[in-house]
Amino acid sequence: DFVMTQSPDSLAVSLGERASINCRSSQSILSTSNNKNYLAWFQQKPGQPPKLLISWASTRESGVPDRFSASGSGTDFTLTISSLQAEDVAVYYCQHYYSAPLTFGGGTKVEIK
Amino acid sequence: QVQLVQSGAEVKKPGASVKVSCKASGYTFTNYAIHWVRQAPGQRLEWMGWINTDNGNTKYSQKFQDRVTITRDTSASTAYMELRSLRFEDTAVYYCARGQCAGCYLTDSWGQGTLVTVSS
Repeated sequence: DFVMTQSPDSLAVSLGERASINCRSSQSILSTSNNKNYLAWFQQKPGQPPKLLISWASTRESGVPDRFSASGSGTDFTLTISSLQAEDVAVYYCQHYYSAPLTFGGGTKVEIK
Repeated sequence: QVQLVQSGAEVKKPGASVKVSCKASGYTFTNYAIHWVRQAPGQRLEWMGWINTDNGNTKYSQKFQDRVTITRDTSASTAYMELRSLRFEDTAVYYCARGQCAGCYLTDSWGQGTLVTVSS
């Protein structure tokens, strides 16, 4: 199984400042057939289901604010919130969907400093 | 709009079974897969398995292989997840999630979650 490791476990950032979350996969999730990384980022607020923010490692879903961006390839990935807003307080998860079983990172809790 | 509405919370005794439903609306049910993911208290999200709603093929996480069955009723646009031989550690919120196509692993919409509590 692919092991997804996120860091940090939590971070506190001032409003308007940048937040960055890292995700590492134990194996490459870059497909050589289509040159796509099978990596998604989800946001989960308390009492709510996860919400898909980013697919294919860097493609923002419709309606996701452009302060959210993501990058990376192969085994190392990053989610960045360029200017943290109060509504961004949540737990963020990376997930690979390269093959079954799908696995998630342990989550990163983002709070306001 | 796409909606996945799950059945209500359940309380079960150890050794019992639970069956959670996930009713889809707002799209053609058989065009999109359904995945099941659970979240135990303080734990990471855990993928349990999925069903190709078009042909009924399923695949399960090895961890749950012997205890879980995922089915669907296309006439009711509903998917089901049954977990047997419940243990205390199965206490969790169970989510269904829609794959982006009938055979897709990427999920784009999630149900509201169903809390299953295993307690004696």
